[in-house]
Amino acid sequence: ETGVTQSPTHLIKTRGQQVTLRCSSQSGHNTVSWYQQALGQGPQFIFQYYREEENGRGNFPPRFSGLQFPNYSSELNVNALELDDSALYLCASSLAVAGGPDEQYFGPGTRLTVT
Amino acid sequence: AQTVTQSQPEMSVQEAETVTLSCTYDTSESDYYLFWYKQPPSRQMILVIRQEAYKQQNATENRFSVNFQKAAKSFSLKISDSQLGDAAMYFCAYRSAAYGQNFVFGPGTRLSVLP
Repeated sequence: ETGVTQSPTHLIKTRGQQVTLRCSSQSGHNTVSWYQQALGQGPQFIFQYYREEENGRGNFPPRFSGLQFPNYSSELNVNALELDDSALYLCASSLAVAGGPDEQYFGPGTRLTVT
Repeated sequence: AQTVTQSQPEMSVQEAETVTLSCTYDTSESDYYLFWYKQPPSRQMILVIRQEAYKQQNATENRFSVNFQKAAKSFSLKISDSQLGDAAMYFCAYRSAAYGQNFVFGPGTRLSVLP
């Protein structure tokens, strides 16, 4: 059983550019959530995908978008990068079960720096 | 909206001693889950312990235990026999039991373990 993996590990972009971050979910999981963790803060929920559909969204602008693929891997896309987008982006996968605690397993994150 | 507060930005403990990390939360819901996650310098979020709100018994995982006070909306983590490997950021997290809800994290407590 493989864990959650994310790529790339680190990324440096210039303000105004676009970026795509990737996440492979843990085997058997059907749900992927993305979080933004600014330096010294707790993770903030961006959105969640369940079976290729967006299933919830936090307080992030539309330039943050995502995809989930049939194999349940996922992408996070950010357009028109701003300096404040510099953060650690965490992906978490889970197996959605009605009434269950829906335990999320996190990947190691992608450190994005916007200059 | 739910909020999670961790009032101790930093804590330290002597190796082999016991330390308690505090967490309070605000919610109007009666059914939810609470979690403690550990984030070492490697950045990977690791689940430490989980508590279901409907359970009165406090959860325990080896050296880790919680003191869950539902009426007071308090959820503290006790680490016994602290080890050097326990040094990390610790995040308290809330998740509604409603299907599809995501985690709300606190700002974290940085724990140092002194040899």
